[in-house]
Amino acid sequence: DAGITQSPRHKVTETGTPVTLRCHQTENHRYMYWYRQDPGHGLRLIHYSYGVKDTDKGEVSDGYSVSRSKTEDFLLTLESATSSQTSVYFCAITAGVQETQYFGPGTRLLVL
Amino acid sequence: KNQVEQSPQSLIILEGKNCTLQCNYTVSPFSNLRWYKQDTGRGPVSLTIMTFSENTKSNGRYTATLDADTKQSSLHITASQLSDSASYICVVSVRSGNTPLVFGKGTRLSVIA
Repeated sequence: DAGITQSPRHKVTETGTPVTLRCHQTENHRYMYWYRQDPGHGLRLIHYSYGVKDTDKGEVSDGYSVSRSKTEDFLLTLESATSSQTSVYFCAITAGVQETQYFGPGTRLLVL
Repeated sequence: KNQVEQSPQSLIILEGKNCTLQCNYTVSPFSNLRWYKQDTGRGPVSLTIMTFSENTKSNGRYTATLDADTKQSSLHITASQLSDSASYICVVSVRSGNTPLVFGKGTRLSVIA
């Protein structure tokens, strides 16, 4: 699992509430990513980071923000959760000469 | 638009049998193609990676092929086991842009006794 943990692993929240998901890695990887996975869709990139305080948008970034104040932590925030953000969220890092992406265990989020 | 299409969407086979999963892509500029295995409730795990010049790569009972001319790849699983039950995702890397990976929707494989 390339030393990746995600927290929480499961969360139920109500529409309009803020939610923050945390990705933590222990191996000093530079690149970190947040994806969402929904039935009928492939994994879709939300945001990614290429260093501390360096982030960029992916293809489905609307309604999400990220922060990376330390190498080991990459936070994904839903400022005001909506039901369309019900999904499974995966964090990933890039490692190795082949730049393989390694994924965390996922966070299952339900927005009621 | 960069796309990765996988077929079939789902597949059920008997334990011990072989199967082949397909991946067609329209991605440019192509960098490499990977197959990932995703067990239920877990994150995807990389099985193989192939660059433009490689046309086959094996990882145990998994063999991936790549035809860069027709933009097709396949994943062949030999002598299937119950533990092969999972989703298999084809992922193509783009050499530029801020969305470097294009994911297929996956094939759901169920191996039954």
